[in-house]
Amino acid sequence: AQSVAQPEDQVNVAEGNPLTVKCTYSVSGNPYLFWYVQYPNRGLQFLLKYITGDNLVKGSYGFEAEFNKSQTSFHLKKPSALVSDSALYFCAVRDGLYGGATNKLIFGTGTLLAVQP
Amino acid sequence: KAGVTQTPRYLIKTRGQQVTLSCSPISGHRSVSWYQQTPGQGLQFLFEYFSETQRNKGNFPGRFSGRQFSNSRSEMNVSTLELGDSALYLCASSPGQGGVSTDTQYFGPGTRLTVL
Repeated sequence: AQSVAQPEDQVNVAEGNPLTVKCTYSVSGNPYLFWYVQYPNRGLQFLLKYITGDNLVKGSYGFEAEFNKSQTSFHLKKPSALVSDSALYFCAVRDGLYGGATNKLIFGTGTLLAVQP
Repeated sequence: KAGVTQTPRYLIKTRGQQVTLSCSPISGHRSVSWYQQTPGQGLQFLFEYFSETQRNKGNFPGRFSGRQFSNSRSEMNVSTLELGDSALYLCASSPGQGGVSTDTQYFGPGTRLTVL
């Protein structure tokens, strides 16, 4: 079955330092991978996605993600963290096993990013 | 374009009651999906509608149902509410296409349902 794993419940980083939020995936076929961010009492905001092509994907708010097929990973990165980046981050994979058309996403458990001033 | 809107934003119900949540997708989007978010189970897929037809369904009991109208607006209904149904219910829309989609899903702010 398609799945994603986020091994860290929480990541702590100082403002101005680079940040990485980890995600690994397990899929049959081509992986369509997504990152979303959730602020308190809000819905999910789309950050970026990998469909095909360049392994380095650039997204919103200065975030980028590196797709690594050999390590089955899709880690989210940002060169310099901001306090305002503190939020809950979700990695997701499109479910391709339905056998038909679908937009269904399978989400990881989420990683809470805390950026200290 | 306006984003995905969900109404109401907050609901308090008691066990045994039923509830209807509404979602208006981004203009032009034909696919609407629903997800349940709880601290214990995380984000779980409920169902997906495309052009008024349910084309995918998650592992939820039959108390959870939905529909989509010709203008792509969607509603979900939960009957005989249980305490465990307390959650944030999120709606997402996307343009919609065939096959395993590469579309981005855009989420609404959610409806916070509390069952007492």
